[in-house]
Order: sequence, then C-alpha cells, then structure tokens
Amino acid sequence: SVLLYQKPNRDICQSGTSLKIQCVADSQVVSMFWYQQFQEQSLMLMATANEGSEATYESGFTKDKFPISRPNLTFSTLTVNNARPGDSSIYFCSSRDWGQYEQYFGPGTRLTVL
Amino acid sequence: GQQVQQSPASLVLQEGENAELQCNFSSTATRLQWFYQRPGGSLVSLLSNPSGTKHTGRLTSTTVTKERRGSLHISSSQITDSGTYLCAMGRNTGANTGKLTFGHGTILRVHP
Repeated sequence: SVLLYQKPNRDICQSGTSLKIQCVADSQVVSMFWYQQFQEQSLMLMATANEGSEATYESGFTKDKFPISRPNLTFSTLTVNNARPGDSSIYFCSSRDWGQYEQYFGPGTRLTVL
Repeated sequence: GQQVQQSPASLVLQEGENAELQCNFSSTATRLQWFYQRPGGSLVSLLSNPSGTKHTGRLTSTTVTKERRGSLHISSSQITDSGTYLCAMGRNTGANTGKLTFGHGTILRVHP
C-alpha cells in the first residue's frame, strides 16, 4: 500500500492570491494524480503528474491555473493561481502501487477562497 | 466520456439492517473501487476488485465487468457506517491507467 500525506489540511485565502498544496508519498510511486471535489459533488480528476515530465491536464483544468510539479518519485505540489471563490473545494492527491488494483488517496486539503 | 452512476442516492436504515449499493458504469472498466468518505472529507478505501466477489468484514463487493455493474453489500449495518459511499471505475492498461472516474455517491444514514 501507499500512504499519502498532504499539507496543509485546510487553508483560507483571499481572492487573487496563490497557494501551494504539497503531497508526499511514503514510497516511490510512478504517477501521482490530483483530484478536486466541490461540496456534495463527486471527485474530478484534474491532472496526472509523472516525475521529470510536465503534468497532463484533464479537460477544464490548465497548467496556468493549476501548475503541478513532480520533482521526484515521492513528492508533488499543486499550486492554485489567482484563487477565486469558485476554487473553494477539497483537493486530493492520489497514487497507486504499480500493478495493483487499489488506488490510495491523501487526506485532502480543504480550500476556502474569500 | 466515462460515467459512473450510483444508486440509490441516499438510503436510511435501522441498525442491523443490510444495505445494497449499486454502481453502473458506461464503458469497459478493469477495476472497480469502493470508498467511504468521512464527514470531514477524507477517503477510506474499502474494497477494490476487477471482477467477481471480494469480502472484508461486513462488506462484500461484487463486480460484473461484462455487464458494467458492481455492488457493495453492507451486512448488519451500524450507526458508525453512516456516511457517503463512493464507487470509482478505472483501467489498468493504456493511456488511462491509474485514472479513476467517480460516481456521485450514496449517502447512508443508519439510525438506532
């Protein structure tokens, strides 16, 4: 299994600011994924991040708004640029053991943008 | 795109009753994973199986990949089972390896 840690657990920020969410895995993982969940909605995949290459973004998410770094096999950072109230949601990082059927999630970062 | 439909949207039980949660998906999946989402938002992985039946404790997950459906059975429900249950489908091969598509969840409330 893979344990994922996220920092911060929650954050409140003003509109127009940027903030970073960190994700750390307790073992090396090939891919890390970032998901967004609005209140009482389902989780939506934002992007896939592999070490040493640019993240691949899903429709509706852009690199300019949500830049992602993946400097090594245990770490990833999601940045929310020019935060707006509509970005208020929970952000999860996720990964899996290669070849395993199970996917693991971090505890989530609850973001509130005022 | 891929879609995952969960039913029922909500379910109210008395303690001790069994629950059956359904999940239907729109395209071929190679795995189905069930999660419990705590009121605070964190996710707990319950069961993951590509096909067939898998048990853990009072939980049984059954996936029929060819029919694009799965179910989660909770036996002898307890008050602490209350929360949101999410179904997610994924693939283990190709460009979509590792990506999960989630349903909107079933909200379970268990009363004493």
